[in-house]
Amino acid sequence: NAGVTQTPKFRILKIGQSMTLQCTQDMNHNYMYWYRQDPGMGLKLIYYSVGAGITDKGEVPNGYNVSRSTTEDFPLRLELAAPSQTSVYFCASSPQGYTDTQYFGPGTRLTVL
Amino acid sequence: AQSVTQLGSHVSVSEGALVLLRCNYSSSVPPYLFWYVQYPNQGLQLLLKYTTGATLVKGINGFEAEFKKSETSFHLTKPSAHMSDAAEYFCAVSANQAGTALIFGKGTTLSVSS
Repeated sequence: NAGVTQTPKFRILKIGQSMTLQCTQDMNHNYMYWYRQDPGMGLKLIYYSVGAGITDKGEVPNGYNVSRSTTEDFPLRLELAAPSQTSVYFCASSPQGYTDTQYFGPGTRLTVL
Repeated sequence: AQSVTQLGSHVSVSEGALVLLRCNYSSSVPPYLFWYVQYPNQGLQLLLKYTTGATLVKGINGFEAEFKKSETSFHLTKPSAHMSDAAEYFCAVSANQAGTALIFGKGTTLSVSS
């Protein structure tokens, strides 16, 4: 039981490049989330999904896109990377909604230069 | 709308001393409250949570927190700090209401000296 896995662990992008951050969970959780963490700012929700085929915006969705074709996978797409997207990205999952415990992946550290 | 304020971005204690990390929340509906811990270069993991019922909640690693509705607080305590407690701690609030997200505080870094 690996829990929530994320790839890659680190990535450096040039301005304007695109990339996909991968997230997979093996706990059969319905809910999945993407957060970004900036120093001294806590975690901000980017997108979330309540099940396969259903996604919705969080607090800071601009510049990102997501899809959820299976229960297990919830990739985050960055289009036209900008320096403001330099951050640590965490994927999480929970059995049900926000009142449930969230299980976090180890994170992806992204730098945009 | 909900919000969380963590008082003190950095707390330093000696090994064996009391740990007190402060969290105040704002919520228009009965809150669900969480404390998560993040060790260096890792994801967050749940320490404890309050949903309903008993206001004193015990978590992992000897931590506990008390929900005080009158003070809108959910402070985290541990009687005796250990070196391994050094980490960043996040308080978070949610509610059992459709469309309510989990809102995180900005975090408190706990340092433990020998």
